[in-house]
Amino acid sequence: KNEVEQSPQNLTAQEGEFITINCSYSVGISALHWLQQHPGGGIVSLFMLSSGKKKHGRLIATINIQEKHSSLHITASHPRDSAVYICAPYTGNQFYFGTGTSLTVIP
Amino acid sequence: DGGITQSPKYLFRKEGQNVTLSCEQNLNHDAMYWYRQDPGQGLRLIYYSQIVNDFQKGDIAEGYSVSREKKESFPLTVTSAQKNPTAFYLCASSWTGRPNTEAFFGQGTRLTVV
Repeated sequence: KNEVEQSPQNLTAQEGEFITINCSYSVGISALHWLQQHPGGGIVSLFMLSSGKKKHGRLIATINIQEKHSSLHITASHPRDSAVYICAPYTGNQFYFGTGTSLTVIP
Repeated sequence: DGGITQSPKYLFRKEGQNVTLSCEQNLNHDAMYWYRQDPGQGLRLIYYSQIVNDFQKGDIAEGYSVSREKKESFPLTVTSAQKNPTAFYLCASSWTGRPNTEAFFGQGTRLTVV
């Protein structure tokens, strides 16, 4: 049983396109992280959300706690956005992780 | 600057040898976690600790051991009992019991056993 489902698993986009990655989860959470993992493995937390919407530059994250769903949007995508994006709900005791969405942005 | 440091980034070991991965944080976080990542799979919890001198097994603890003698440090030992140790290992830390808790993640250690 997967507590976290992400879609799509793989995504290829042309530079400039608007991108959406979706995350559905089944656990009760206190917060949800969106993580970025570049080739070579290092992971960076992009957002931590507990409600509503957050925006950092071209990245926007939204969460609907009642529906147990979160989305990550990238506006005006760029090749440097190519990475794996991972949804990580936090229950207050531990994190759960999606399998990630592998994004490739083509110039 | 506060952060979490894993070392080394790449590690090679011969089969049958124990190896210890380091994880240190200076964020004064209560909780620390170790995860394993295999190709095409999500991160899976190995062990976690929410307080010094206490830790709990995660989903895939067999073949691993940890210690939490100091709040700042949570080393992971991959023992010879771990049947398939080659993987990417990630350490994380966070506050516990607080709403809106943000986590910090290390850069990871890629372990290759030959």
